[in-house]
Amino acid sequence: GAGVSQTPSNKVTEKGKYVELRCDPISGHTALYWYRQSLGQGPEFLIYFQGTGAADDSGLPNDRFFAVRPEGSVSTLKIQRTERGDSAVYLCASSLNRSRAGANVLTFGAGSRLTVL
Amino acid sequence: QKEVEQDPGPLSVPEGAIVSLNCTYSNSAFQYFMWYRQYSRKGPELLMYTYSSGNKEDGRFTAQVDKSSKYISLFIRDSQPSDSATYLCAMRTGGSNYKLTFGKGTLLTVNP
Repeated sequence: GAGVSQTPSNKVTEKGKYVELRCDPISGHTALYWYRQSLGQGPEFLIYFQGTGAADDSGLPNDRFFAVRPEGSVSTLKIQRTERGDSAVYLCASSLNRSRAGANVLTFGAGSRLTVL
Repeated sequence: QKEVEQDPGPLSVPEGAIVSLNCTYSNSAFQYFMWYRQYSRKGPELLMYTYSSGNKEDGRFTAQVDKSSKYISLFIRDSQPSDSATYLCAMRTGGSNYKLTFGKGTLLTVNP
């Protein structure tokens, strides 16, 4: 597609529920990233995929958070037993090629705004 | 102390003004410096990308990096109402080309 597509754009859920957020990266981009942006803050790194595998998941806050990218394209961020503190905008980004370190430009989607009541 | 500090503003200027935005950082391993623009309810959009110290100009935008002071700046000349957005600085080390560390962002309003 022309850009990074994220669905849903808005999700309201109750504390304790399970949510899935989907990211469709730019066609041909092998690298995919999830960031989280809390109100009034800059985005914070969650996880990075190169192809199908999670190359770095060190930013996931705890084991309630999990992400997959089974076919190396679309990715799903999964949050179990949601808490009010999980409320934030979850941003997905993709990039073409990580092998040339200086040229790795991330293109972000519009984000999925999660509100946990 | 956070790795990247950025005054959140808000900053309000008249149309045509020169805008100066800046960030300081503490991690001397940062080598790549970026400025993103984020409109309300949108994702961050890359404006400028610089490596190491020096200046880089692109149209009305100039990015400056002073690694000795751990200080980066973005200047906007002839500011326009369409420049009204949140400006985020971001940076990363040479060893990690995907893990960006962002500032909080500065909310800029350019008044017509």
